Amino acid sequence: QSVLTQPPSASRTPGQRVTISCSGSSSNIGNNFVFWYQHLPGTAPKVLIYRNNRRPSGVPDRFSGSKSGTSASLAISELRSEDEADYYCAAWDDSLSAWVFGGGTKLTVL
Amino acid sequence: QVQLQQSGPGLAKPSQTLSLTCAISGDSVSSKSAAWNWIRQSPSRGLEWLGRTYYRSKWYNDYAVSVKSRITFSPDTSKNQISLQLNSVTLEDTAVYYCAREGSTSSFEDWGQGTLVTVSS
Repeated sequence: QSVLTQPPSASRTPGQRVTISCSGSSSNIGNNFVFWYQHLPGTAPKVLIYRNNRRPSGVPDRFSGSKSGTSASLAISELRSEDEADYYCAAWDDSLSAWVFGGGTKLTVL
Repeated sequence: QVQLQQSGPGLAKPSQTLSLTCAISGDSVSSKSAAWNWIRQSPSRGLEWLGRTYYRSKWYNDYAVSVKSRITFSPDTSKNQISLQLNSVTLEDTAVYYCAREGSTSSFEDWGQGTLVTVSS
């Protein structure tokens, strides 16, 4: 059972928009930044969003992040087949003094 | 550009010790603006943070509760690398292990290539 809660899967068709949710508590998302990582099979995870809504250089603006209270979301617009991956949210948890991840959302682009 | 090169055996027997090394280039293991993390990934558990070590005038460590009693980090400034030891492994420790640099954005900015470690007798 992960500290942060994500839907296990999502599916859309190319060109559509998807939003992936991440729910936590006051000790993690409610009081700290949220980060989003993309994990493609056979590769190392890659940071997509840092500090709630900032994109590292090289990440397309099709990816956006937001946070409200103890929840956060990742939105991906204009979906492409190469966006098919596992997506994880993460935050520092003050009570655990640890980084915590969501369980991951497997995105299928049909 | 920071690069992390992992090495270590891909097989461990139950009850034995898993040992991995992460060699750092492009940054210093003693950097006062970075932290060196170990994260693992398995199909059943997704991404799981194991802990981190970092230097801020002295060495600090943070550990995940799930492995705190079994894990050790060893920074080596002469070789600019960090090592992970996980004791008393079980089948549940089978996973792909990553080292990752936590940088100025507070995110895991750079990752090693990953090492699949299988625990099997």
